[in-house]
Amino acid sequence: DQQVKQNSPSLSVQEGRISILNCDYTNSMFDYFLWYKKYPAEGPTFLISISSIKDKNEDGRFTVFLNKSAKHLSLHIVPSQPGDSAVYFCAAARGSNYKLTFGKGTLLTVNP
Amino acid sequence: GAGVSQSPSNKVTEKGKDVELRCDPISGHTALYWYRQSLGQGLEFLIYFQGNSAPDKSGLPSDRFSAERTGGSVSTLTIQRTQQEDSAVYLCASTLVAEGNEQFFGPGTRLTVL
Repeated sequence: DQQVKQNSPSLSVQEGRISILNCDYTNSMFDYFLWYKKYPAEGPTFLISISSIKDKNEDGRFTVFLNKSAKHLSLHIVPSQPGDSAVYFCAAARGSNYKLTFGKGTLLTVNP
Repeated sequence: GAGVSQSPSNKVTEKGKDVELRCDPISGHTALYWYRQSLGQGLEFLIYFQGNSAPDKSGLPSDRFSAERTGGSVSTLTIQRTQQEDSAVYLCASTLVAEGNEQFFGPGTRLTVL
C-alpha cells in the first residue's frame, strides 16, 4: 500500500504562473515532510521541508503547505520558470527516523 | 568530490549474473542509504548504514541483495543471480548525521537485466 501518494503524474503550466504540486499521505505517524526535485539522469535534490508543528514553510519562490487534518501537503512555485521543469517527489518521515517514504513523483513542465 | 558519486552510471547484465554497484558518499557523512526506483515508481528504501552500528536491512527485497560499507565510507550493493525485475535505478544517499532527513543523493546507477 502506498503511504505517500502523488495522484497527478504530470502538470503543465505557463512561465510566470503558479505551479501547485499535491501530495497525500495515509500514515498519521509521519511528522516530517520533504520535497525533492529530480532532473533526468541526476539524483534527487532536496528542495524544501516542513515539520508537522508548522503549517507553512517558505523559501524564495517555493512554499510548502501542510494540512495535518487532511493529511495533505502541497508545494507552490511562484512564479514558475522553465528551469523548474523536473520531476518533483514528495517524501515523508517519522521524526528522526531515517527512512524516507516517497511518492511516485509529478512531472512538472513549465512552458516559456 | 563535492557530492555523492556512484559507479557505474549504467549497467547491463544478463539474467542470473551477479552485479556490484558502488557508492562514494560525501566525505564526513556518517549515514548512507540505498534506494531503488523502478519504472513509474517512487524511491524504495533498501538499506541504511550509520557509523559502526548494525545496518538496517529491512528494505532489501530478497536475500539475493546485500550491501556492505567498508571503513565507514564507500558502500557496495551486490545483487546475486539478477532477475529482470531487478531492473531499476539504484540511488545512494548520505547525510551528516542519522537525524538528517535532508539526504543528499548521487546520480544513480541504471541497471538493466536482460
